[in-house]
Amino acid sequence: QQQVKQSPQSLIVQKGGISIINCAYENTAFDYFPWYQQFPGKGPALLIAIRPDVSEKKEGRFTISFNKSAKQFSLHIMDSQPGDSATYFCAASMIYGGSQGNLIFGKGTKLSVKP
Amino acid sequence: DAGVIQSPRHEVTEMGQEVTLRCKLISGHNSLFWYRQTMMRGLELLIYFNNNVPIDDSGMPEDRFSAKMPNASFSTLKIQPSEPRDSAVYFCASSFRGTGALNTEAFFGQGTRLTVV
Repeated sequence: QQQVKQSPQSLIVQKGGISIINCAYENTAFDYFPWYQQFPGKGPALLIAIRPDVSEKKEGRFTISFNKSAKQFSLHIMDSQPGDSATYFCAASMIYGGSQGNLIFGKGTKLSVKP
Repeated sequence: DAGVIQSPRHEVTEMGQEVTLRCKLISGHNSLFWYRQTMMRGLELLIYFNNNVPIDDSGMPEDRFSAKMPNASFSTLKIQPSEPRDSAVYFCASSFRGTGALNTEAFFGQGTRLTVV
């Protein structure tokens, strides 16, 4: 019920291509779905987040697509750049938390963008 | 604001020794999370505090692990005695939980890389 499953584990994309990372969740009480970006030696940093009242959110080259009925969401990185090379984590939580105010993370996707 | 500050950045210790990791929250934040990151298990929540009170410690692996918030801006995670399988990167994160228990963005520290030999 608490799991967030993320795929693929690793992804290699050519510069200028589209990177797509997928996540699936089980707990229908989750209502906040952020993506975090982590560079080596750094902590995860929030990249973009979505609530289930919309099916898509775009910020620059980064887009989250959300499918509530399928309990799936994905991150699309358009025009991928070498500087986007990092590990990406999806997560889920309840924005109005009680004991579930914490984020449940997927296992991460290591993205490499080749020049 | 300097963000979430963790110390030390790196810690190497011998098996059986006590290890204390430290975290300073962002000013004004009232929720504190300790996470452990390993290749095998990814980011796992260890414990979550709100207003200095532990809300969920179900992720703490065993009694060797303990966490405290002696004041609103500071937390420690202690491992005693440490074991090689505790080797990981430990992150703390802080956020603000407001009226109606609305949780805002969690900001992570740089992490402490712990190696137990």
